[in-house]
Amino acid sequence: KNEVEQSPQNLTAQEGEFITINCSYSVGISALHWLQQHPGGGIVSLFMLSSGKKKHGRLIATINIQEKHSSLHITASHPRDSAVYICAVRFDGPNTGNQFYFGTGTSLTVIP
Amino acid sequence: EAEVAQSPRYKITEKSQAVAFWCDPISGHATLYWYRQILGQGPELLVQFQDESVVDDSQLPKDRFSAERLKGVDSTLKIQPAELGDSAMYLCASSLALIGYNEQFFGPGTRLTVL
Repeated sequence: KNEVEQSPQNLTAQEGEFITINCSYSVGISALHWLQQHPGGGIVSLFMLSSGKKKHGRLIATINIQEKHSSLHITASHPRDSAVYICAVRFDGPNTGNQFYFGTGTSLTVIP
Repeated sequence: EAEVAQSPRYKITEKSQAVAFWCDPISGHATLYWYRQILGQGPELLVQFQDESVVDDSQLPKDRFSAERLKGVDSTLKIQPAELGDSAMYLCASSLALIGYNEQFFGPGTRLTVL
C-alpha cells in the first residue's frame, strides 16, 4: 500500500528555534515534494527532490532514499513560518499512475 | 510570475444545488489536476488531465462530479447535486508534463460550503 506519513502532526515553537518536520513513505519513489499551505488555503511549492539535499533561504530539505525518509528543516524560525507543511510523493512502479500522494500535513505555529 | 488561477475563491450553496469551479493553469502546462482537501487532511486527487484527455479519474464520484478540459487549457469541475459531505477546499494544480521530474504549481483553491 502506498502510504505517506508525517510527524509531528502539530508543532509549536518559539521564534528563533530550529524546526524539523519528518516525512516517511512506504515504497520507492521517483520524487518528493514539500509544500506550504497558509490558513487562506493556497499551496506553495517549497522543494521538489529525488535525492540529497536542497536549501533555499532558511529552509533545508533532505531525503534518504534507503530509509524512505525526508526531513524539512527551518532555521531561525519566524512567526510568518506558521503554516501547514505537506509532504507529497510520486511512487515508483506500475499501477501508481503519475499522481502525487499527500501526507496529512504538519501544522506549525511559531510564537513571537 | 505565472500563476494558476481559480474562481470563485469561496462558494456557499445549499444541498441539491449545482456548483461549478473554474481553473486556468499556467500557460504551457499540459497536465492539470483537481484535488479535494477536507479540513485537517491532505489533498486527494479527483481527476488528472493530460491536455484535453482524462488520465486518471478513478477517485472522482462520477454520479455527481464531472470535469472537462475541452481545449486542453482551462478546466471546469462540476458537482450536481451538491451534498453536505462535499464541503471542502477544491484545489487545482498544473505541471509542464505528465511524466518526469515535474513540479506541481497550485492555485489558491475554492472553498465550498454546502448548507
